[in-house]
Amino acid sequence: KAGVTQTPRYLIKTRGQQVTLSCSPISGHRSVSWYQQTPGQGLQFLFEYFSETQRNKGNFPGRFSGRQFSNSRSEMNVSTLELGDSALYLCASSNVLQGSDEQYFGPGTRLTVT
Amino acid sequence: AQKVTQAQTEISVVEKEDVTLDCVYETRDTTYYLFWYKQPPSGELVFLIRRNSFDEQNEISGRYSWNFQKSTSSFNFTITASQVVDSAVYFCALSEIKTGNQFYFGTGTSLTVIP
Repeated sequence: KAGVTQTPRYLIKTRGQQVTLSCSPISGHRSVSWYQQTPGQGLQFLFEYFSETQRNKGNFPGRFSGRQFSNSRSEMNVSTLELGDSALYLCASSNVLQGSDEQYFGPGTRLTVT
Repeated sequence: AQKVTQAQTEISVVEKEDVTLDCVYETRDTTYYLFWYKQPPSGELVFLIRRNSFDEQNEISGRYSWNFQKSTSSFNFTITASQVVDSAVYFCALSEIKTGNQFYFGTGTSLTVIP
């Protein structure tokens, strides 16, 4: 089985721009979660989607949004980029709802905002 | 309040030494799950182990072992006879039944194994 894939792997954007990141979960997995990883804040939960519906949302401003498609692929969008949005964005997929199973992580998208 | 605490930020050991990574968690749920992940320099988080709150049996997998103690809210990870390939950042994580797949991660412990 192919693992979780994320595109692009690296991205450089300018303040004020917007960006869209993509995640394809493991085949059959319907839950997709997004995390932001920074040296200062560590790994922080952004949101989770299951069957095209957002189930949980972390404590991030409304500039961070996401969606999930019928094939379970997910995208996250960050509008009006700020320098502090520079981070590694990780996507994870799971085939359960209750958090009882491990999540499988993709390689991440490293976003640099200049 | 931080739900998962990994007090050790960085640890260095010489190859073949044993090393224990500490994890302390906080939750009010009676049903929860604990995980350990490894993040090598490549960046991808690799799953190591899962434990549910009703299973306090310790587990051993090769050179890895885990000690889960509900009484002290700890889920510690020991690497026996460490190897250079064990160098990575290790994360402990918690999920609660009420928040499903939202994982709460500790800040990670960076392990360096010196040859």
